[in-house]
Amino acid sequence: DQQVKQNSPSLSVQEGRISILNCDYTNSMFDYFLWYKKYPAEGPTFLISISSIKDKNEDGRFTVFLNKSAKHLSLHIVPSQPGDSAVYFCAASFKDNFNKFYFGSGTKLNVKP
Amino acid sequence: DTAVSQTPKYLVTQMGNDKSIKCEQNLGHDTMYWYKQDSKKFLKIMFSYNNKELIINETVPNRFSPKSPDKAHLNLHINSLELGDSAVYFCASSQERVLTMTGELFFGEGSRLTVL
Repeated sequence: DQQVKQNSPSLSVQEGRISILNCDYTNSMFDYFLWYKKYPAEGPTFLISISSIKDKNEDGRFTVFLNKSAKHLSLHIVPSQPGDSAVYFCAASFKDNFNKFYFGSGTKLNVKP
Repeated sequence: DTAVSQTPKYLVTQMGNDKSIKCEQNLGHDTMYWYKQDSKKFLKIMFSYNNKELIINETVPNRFSPKSPDKAHLNLHINSLELGDSAVYFCASSQERVLTMTGELFFGEGSRLTVL
């Protein structure tokens, strides 16, 4: 049973606009969340993370929001650029087993010029 | 210089064969992993080694056997390959979260295995 879910397989956004990628999880004991970006024929690369003690973390154009009560996190990309076109995975881990990450199935973002 | 490298990148083989995928990391990390990306695109952990010691062993058929000769290498050997083993296998490494503050995974490029 998947504990981390990304219900939107794809998202298309115009260049310069905001991209919002969503992720839901079922286990309230997750304490650490990450977003990864993956280009075709490459491995995923780390993008941004957030601890469960925070509700927001920002890094340049990328911001991750965490809503613990809703068991929901989102990644905002502002402004979106064509180079952001990739598959985005969210992942979660537990405090006492932080080597084990649970991944969603990914959302393919297409940023149109 | 590639941080996590795995070979081969593509592997096409017949059912029943035995094959291996090799992985090496030059990041000095203590922990290495094998993940499987199946047809539904989920990345699922299979194994994790910390300093050559197995620390995570998910529900994986015992036809899959990881081997870590040293902390920079983690190989995956698969016996008696089946059609359902077709997937992309990713090797990854990480440092302890307390040291890096993020503990993120560094992935290799993946090895696409096709079993005919």
